[in-house]
Amino acid sequence: KQEVTQIPAALSVPEGENLVLNCSFTDSAIYNLQWFRQDPGKGLTSLLLIQSSQREQTSGRLNASLDKSSGRSTLYIAASQPGDSATYLCAVKGGGSYIPTFGRGTSLIVHP
Amino acid sequence: NAGVMQNPRHLVRRRGQEARLRCSPVKGHSHVYWYRQLPEEGLKFMVYLQKENIIDESGMPKERFSAEFPKEGPSILRIQQVVRGDSAAYFCASSPPYHEQFFGPGTRLTVL
Repeated sequence: KQEVTQIPAALSVPEGENLVLNCSFTDSAIYNLQWFRQDPGKGLTSLLLIQSSQREQTSGRLNASLDKSSGRSTLYIAASQPGDSATYLCAVKGGGSYIPTFGRGTSLIVHP
Repeated sequence: NAGVMQNPRHLVRRRGQEARLRCSPVKGHSHVYWYRQLPEEGLKFMVYLQKENIIDESGMPKERFSAEFPKEGPSILRIQQVVRGDSAAYFCASSPPYHEQFFGPGTRLTVL
């Protein structure tokens, strides 16, 4: 059974810092990995999707990498802003299943 | 293109009543997923459906809960005889196979 862990659970940083959020998974036979952000009381917004054949994806200040062999993905946020404050979740789909497994998320606060 | 639509956004029910949650997927998406999110907890998979078929309902309680995705119209998550423990945010997501999921804004169910 796939297990997904996100570290740290919470993070508070001053504006302008570069950040790394971590996601680890136990079964490396994945189809893809997706990063989301969730604002309080809202739904999930897709940030980046990495297919199993890819090593990284970039969108603006966000960069996500994937290392299947070690069962890890990182989400890099450059020059953080207060508007980046949210919970970030990773979801792993694979192991012969269409059902993604979600981590518990990293709660990020970027203060001015 | 409209994203995933969910309604109602907020639903209040008394114990013993029925709750019906609706989800309209992104146009052209044939896969729908339902998730439940409790305060301070992660996102829990409930059921995965394709048009007119339930593919995986392993995360859905055996009693009182049912889901459908008819050929025409939205997907419905139905909770009969609601109890206070059913209070949660219920999210729907849609996707093509092996592609990224798009989430709706959620329905927040409160059981009095």
